[in-house]
Amino acid sequence: AQKVTQAQTEISVVEKEDVTLDCVYETRDTTYYLFWYKQPPSGELVFLIRRNSFDEQNEISGRYSWNFQKSTSSFNFTITASQVVDSAVYFCALKEVDSGAGSYQLTFGKGTKLSVIP
Amino acid sequence: AAGVIQSPRHLIKEKRETATLKCYPIPRHDTVYWYQQGPGQDPQFLISFYEKMQSDKGSIPDRFSAQQFSDYHSELNMSSLELGDSALYFCASSLGYYTGELFFGEGSRLTVL
Repeated sequence: AQKVTQAQTEISVVEKEDVTLDCVYETRDTTYYLFWYKQPPSGELVFLIRRNSFDEQNEISGRYSWNFQKSTSSFNFTITASQVVDSAVYFCALKEVDSGAGSYQLTFGKGTKLSVIP
Repeated sequence: AAGVIQSPRHLIKEKRETATLKCYPIPRHDTVYWYQQGPGQDPQFLISFYEKMQSDKGSIPDRFSAQQFSDYHSELNMSSLELGDSALYFCASSLGYYTGELFFGEGSRLTVL
């Protein structure tokens, strides 16, 4: 069964610090997708990134970067020079697509609450 | 670009009442997923539909039912509401269920008093 672990429940950083949110996943599938979502206090799920299992290239988007390592089943997310607006709950998620069991739903980790202090 | 539309955005009900949430997927999307997110929790998968047929079932209570209609919109019906049903309900849609491209609506917040 698929599983996503975000070991950090809450993180507090001072503005302009860098912060890395960890995500470890478990799957038997060879084809799957990994996601990061941001959930601000307003509640909506804001899509940040999607990665398929065959693309291990790291990605950078502005102050955000992602490190995907299949060898350690990790998909970590780093925010550089954090800002107060980055304060939110961040979810890592996994979607299997060749499980054969017909289960293709998105499974979320428990989330990491990030607080950026001015 | 059109996104996933959920209605109502906010709903307040009393215990034992019934509630219906609606989800309008992105045009041409044939797959719909429902998620429930309790306070301080991660979103939990409830149920999904592909081409108007149930494709997968998660932790959906027996008091809840859902369907996908001919125009691909979906409705989640919740009966005999309990306080614990208070949550954010998200709908997502995709084109097929093998894809990684799924899109979430803004959610419907249900409060049961």
